[in-house]
Amino acid sequence: GNSVTQMEGPVTLSEEAFLTINCTYTATGYPSLFWYVQYPGEGLQLLLKATKADDKGSNKGFEATYRKETTSFHLEKGSVQVSDSAVYFCALGSGAGSYQLTFGKGTKLSVIP
Amino acid sequence: DAGVIQSPRHEVTEMGQEVTLRCKPISGHDYLFWYRQTMMRGLELLIYFNNNVPIDDSGMPEDRFSAKMPNASFSTLKIQPSEPRDSAVYFCASSFNYVDEQFFGPGTRLTVL
Repeated sequence: GNSVTQMEGPVTLSEEAFLTINCTYTATGYPSLFWYVQYPGEGLQLLLKATKADDKGSNKGFEATYRKETTSFHLEKGSVQVSDSAVYFCALGSGAGSYQLTFGKGTKLSVIP
Repeated sequence: DAGVIQSPRHEVTEMGQEVTLRCKPISGHDYLFWYRQTMMRGLELLIYFNNNVPIDDSGMPEDRFSAKMPNASFSTLKIQPSEPRDSAVYFCASSFNYVDEQFFGPGTRLTVL
């Protein structure tokens, strides 16, 4: 079945540091890939997505590239801010008519001034 | 657009009591999902509906849990009787047909004493 593995946290970075959160997946077919972000006390929000191989999703300075050859969708940001402190979830859309998402366990990011 | 609405935001109850969580999806969305989030298990899909019909309830933990969607704008998740291990944050999410991006509500934090 489908699965998502993302790096375990928590991750603590200083402001303006470079961020990478690794995500790999196992799936049949050609799934869509997502990064969701959850700020404290809130629901999950879509951060970015990619629907096919070599697509790059980007939003708010975050980027992730759909790599089919390495089954990866790593999240990156060149310079993090305190306001980026949140939990980040990698997710895989099964497509094929079921529209379920399979989520990773989440990675908590704390950015300190 | 008001987004996905959930009520109540917080619920504290005693073991053995009935709990009802409510969700109003985004207007026009065909799919509705109920998730549970805990520190131990992360984000788990409990059940999802398409056009008000339950499609997959394999994630519902046991018979104490039930979900209904009487119309396109309202769904409930009921736990009867509740137990302390049901304490979690419960999220509702909705999506359009043929699009696997999901929009999450703010969640209901349930505490069973």
